[in-house]
Amino acid sequence: EPEVTQTPSHQVTQMGQEVILRCVPISNHLYFYWYRQILGQKVEFLVSFYNNEISEKSEIFDDQFSVERPDGSNFTLKIRSTKLEDSAMYFCASKGQPASTDTQYFGPGTRLTVL
Amino acid sequence: AQSVTQPDIHITVSEGASLELRCNYSYGATPYLFWYVQSPGQGLQLLLKYFSGDTLVQGIKGFEAEFKRSQSSFNLRKPSVHWSDAAEYFCAVGAHQAGTALIFGKGTTLSVSS
Repeated sequence: EPEVTQTPSHQVTQMGQEVILRCVPISNHLYFYWYRQILGQKVEFLVSFYNNEISEKSEIFDDQFSVERPDGSNFTLKIRSTKLEDSAMYFCASKGQPASTDTQYFGPGTRLTVL
Repeated sequence: AQSVTQPDIHITVSEGASLELRCNYSYGATPYLFWYVQSPGQGLQLLLKYFSGDTLVQGIKGFEAEFKRSQSSFNLRKPSVHWSDAAEYFCAVGAHQAGTALIFGKGTTLSVSS
């Protein structure tokens, strides 16, 4: 069964450093998402991406964040200058159809630790 | 504003006993509702979803959920829990617009005792 994959599974970085989290969505999917979950808190939406542009973003997704689909398979989240409060589990998700009834498939997550 | 509340942070159930995980939502219109499960080291897996029609929805792994509009609830149930059901369970609500994001609750951690 096709699945969303994410690398790395765990990333440790120093405050102020740039990190890139990588995701490979399911191959024929068109909608891509990033969510994050700070320890003990809710899973929060960051950004959605369709047709090579951001379609929706939350207030969390400020200028420090960017997303890119550099090729036909990868979908990346970049944090330019990490802060301690960026420490969280980051989930990538993808969806094949535009309908809200269609299922978002999630990856296993990348745990980001900022020291 | 849209929101999802899962009142129980952690629940322990004996193997073979029944299970009910609570979910309450706040949404201006008829919501799309989802339950996801996350096992350690795994991604979020969809258990079931509700869009319209029959308010009792069947999902995978023997789970079901009932949409109750009057109570703004979408509780997840299973008649007999197995040790492999130990995981974290998330309720989520989605809007009707195409491609929009899901809003999640904080999750409920289920432990199963033998």
